[in-house]
Amino acid sequence: QKEVEQDPGPLSVPEGAIVSLNCTYSNSAFQYFMWYRQYSRKGPELLMYTYSSGNKEDGRFTAQVDKSSKYISLFIRDSQPSDSATYLCALAYNQGGKLIFGQGTELSVKP
Amino acid sequence: DGGITQSPKYLFRKEGQNVTLSCEQNLNHDAMYWYRQDPGQGLRLIYYSQIVNDFQKGDIAEGYSVSREKKESFPLTVTSAQKNPTAFYLCASNGQGVYTEAFFGQGTRLTVV
Repeated sequence: QKEVEQDPGPLSVPEGAIVSLNCTYSNSAFQYFMWYRQYSRKGPELLMYTYSSGNKEDGRFTAQVDKSSKYISLFIRDSQPSDSATYLCALAYNQGGKLIFGQGTELSVKP
Repeated sequence: DGGITQSPKYLFRKEGQNVTLSCEQNLNHDAMYWYRQDPGQGLRLIYYSQIVNDFQKGDIAEGYSVSREKKESFPLTVTSAQKNPTAFYLCASNGQGVYTEAFFGQGTRLTVV
């Protein structure tokens, strides 16, 4: 069983839609949860960062962590064509520790 | 400006050749990582180093080698033993502060010809 599972998509939505991206994980010891966004042929960039359970909001983006279910989500409201990218979840056991990545979900937002 | 620089951006390798990918950071980060990215498989960890002169194998280290002689530099050699080296290679680093954020380079696309 992989440590982190993520639906690779691709996911195609119309502009303005609400997007939900998800990852599940197997080890309850993970404490740090991140979402990275990667544009084509570029390096990933950090989008959201969460420690332990709960929600975190930043503009149109909301990250949710449910440690009891071992489930993390990223919601994008009012999606824009510029949101078209691959979104990767990443988990770590400790601060400064190595990141374990999901497979990435390719998102396309159509005008 | 602080960041991670990978070079070259594109690299072509003949079968049987070793090639070395460069990764340099000026963020004063202790930890550095090499990932391989293939379509539909996300990022897979090849090697990582948390301090100078020390490194550990990741999930797919076979056919690769690294060195960490300086804090700023973490080169990756793709050896002839790597049977399927065509991929997008990403270098990353992170520090020991409040956040575990990893900063990535822009990647090297390696193609076997």
